[in-house]
Amino acid sequence: DAGVTQSPTHLIKTRGQQVTLRCSPKSGHDTVSWYQQALGQGPQFIFQYYEEEERQRGNFPDRFSGHQFPNYSSELNVNALLLGDSALYLCASSLGGLGYNEQFFGPGTRLTVL
Amino acid sequence: GIQVEQSPPDLILQEGANSTLRCNFSDSVNNLQWFHQNPWGQLINLFYIPSGTKQNGRLSATTVATERYSLLYISSSQTTDSGVYFCAVTNFGNEKLTFGTGTRLTIIP
Repeated sequence: DAGVTQSPTHLIKTRGQQVTLRCSPKSGHDTVSWYQQALGQGPQFIFQYYEEEERQRGNFPDRFSGHQFPNYSSELNVNALLLGDSALYLCASSLGGLGYNEQFFGPGTRLTVL
Repeated sequence: GIQVEQSPPDLILQEGANSTLRCNFSDSVNNLQWFHQNPWGQLINLFYIPSGTKQNGRLSATTVATERYSLLYISSSQTTDSGVYFCAVTNFGNEKLTFGTGTRLTIIP
């Protein structure tokens, strides 16, 4: 049973650049949520994708955007990178776009902005 | 939005000791999950427990939804139990997981 996968594992960018992170959900899941985890803090919700639409969004600026593909995989795009965007980006998968279903997390992508 | 607080923030124990981690939340929930975050950042699912009691080996968890708290018990701690433990909840009409502040557990050999 394939778990949640994310790529790349690590990424180094400079301020002002753009980055794309990728996530494949757990087998059988159709919902992908993205979270940002700054050093020493708990993960913060960015947005959720279900049926190829953004269903809910956290308190993140429009520089953060995403996409879900017909095979349920997802991308997170961040434009005009700031130093404060340095963090661990986690993808979670679940079923049916429903908050009360269990969520499973991928290994994360560690983004460093210089 | 819903507030989630965990205690204690830090816990240092000898190998073989038992521990209890607490999670308090400010509103009714329809999902509560406990995670262990390993040193590489991976969030490992421990329990999905919006209510009731569950056990898995040396770990068990209890959620008392009416009193808005959950407890995670770790018995006979091992060094591999070290890491940060998070509880996370969703409340009705909300699809996102809101994470607590975490408990950093260090097990000393």
